[in-house]
Parts: sequence; C-alpha cells; structure tokens
Amino acid sequence: QVRLQESGPGLVKPSGTLSLTCAVSGDSISSDNWWTWVRQPPGEGLEWIGEIYGSGITYYNPSLKSRVTISLDKSKNQFSLNLSSVTAADTAVYYCVKKVTPTREYDSWGLGTLVTVSS
Amino acid sequence: QTVVTQEPSFSVSPGGTVTLTCGLTSGSVSTSSYTNWFQQTPGQAPRTLIYSTNTRSSGVPDRFSGSILGNKAALTITGAQADDESDYYCLLNLHYGLWMFGGGTKLTVL
Repeated sequence: QVRLQESGPGLVKPSGTLSLTCAVSGDSISSDNWWTWVRQPPGEGLEWIGEIYGSGITYYNPSLKSRVTISLDKSKNQFSLNLSSVTAADTAVYYCVKKVTPTREYDSWGLGTLVTVSS
Repeated sequence: QTVVTQEPSFSVSPGGTVTLTCGLTSGSVSTSSYTNWFQQTPGQAPRTLIYSTNTRSSGVPDRFSGSILGNKAALTITGAQADDESDYYCLLNLHYGLWMFGGGTKLTVL
C-alpha cells in the first residue's frame, strides 16, 4: 500500500517561496510512475500544478510554469515542490499524488497540507 | 485557452441514476484524454473513482461507471445513495504532459 505524506511550513510570507516535501512509502520514486502536485484553494476546485517522472522529466501547468519547480530526492524517496513569488492567491491545500504510468491512474493521494500566504 | 467544463451542481433522488459530464470549451473529449474521475467530501482528500475513461479504481462499487457520451466524458451513478453526496471532479489529459481539472460538480442526494 503506497502512502504519501506532505510536509512543510504552514505559513509563507508574500513574495517568498513555498516549499513542500512529499515522503513516499510503499513504492520507489524511481519506479515507472509520475509524482504529482495538486492544490485546492479554500472553498474552490482542484488545480493540477505539475508532475515529475523517476528520470527527472517534469511537466508544469503553463499558468504556474515560471514560478514552479518539482524535484526528486531519491536518497530519501521523496519529491518536492517549490513555488516562488507567492501571493495570497497561492493559499491552498496542497496534495501530492502518485500517477501510474501505463494506465494514467492518479491512484494514491496524500492527506494534503494547508499553506497560507500572509504577512 | 481550453477550459474543462462540468455542471456546477446536480441533484438526484435516493436510488436514482445521475450522469455527470466533463467537456472542453474547445474540442472533444476522447479515450485519448485518459479521463480520471474523483469524489471529494468536505475536509477530505479526493478519492479516485475512474481512470482511463471507464476503468474503476480498486474498491470502487460497480454503480459508478465512466464513459464517453458524444464529445464529453461522463460519470454515471446508478442507485444513488446518501453518502454519494459529494463534489465530483474530472481530470483530462489535454496533450502529453498537460492535465487539467474541471471546476467540479456538487452532487446533492435528496
């Protein structure tokens, strides 16, 4: 059973950088899967941020591409999200998700972590 | 810019059948969109119901089914139950490397 757990600061100052980590257990991030970040502002819908393959290939939402970096840490079996120049509009619950490559099933979700952008 | 569309809200009677749809403002949804459907209740992470248009995720009851109807993806719930009252989101592969969620449908069972 794959388990994903998000962690990181719950409060980030405007213009700062939001940094989150997703620890993966029960699977290797080097496996034939994609590792994805999704967010949900309070009371709103889901937004696909981007994803990374075990080889390091990344794809990002064009609306966020200039500010987003997703990376892998194979030694810790985890992947990370960095979002720069944040504003209040980046306040959201951030989820990490595993996508199975052959089937394109987003099959395992973390519980999510709320990040608030405020001074 | 292409947007993924869903009905903002829908209601169904207990035991009834409801079909939620997922479309594109430009173009058609097909099996190449690899549609995923998710169910979300307040305060919880989404739960995956359907992937690759019509395949149920592990443990999902067979009263949930996915399909293509015309130029849209569809999620049909047959024999709706009270605990099906949730928000439902679709996720489409617009092209290789780009995915987009619909705005979600709030389903009421009453």
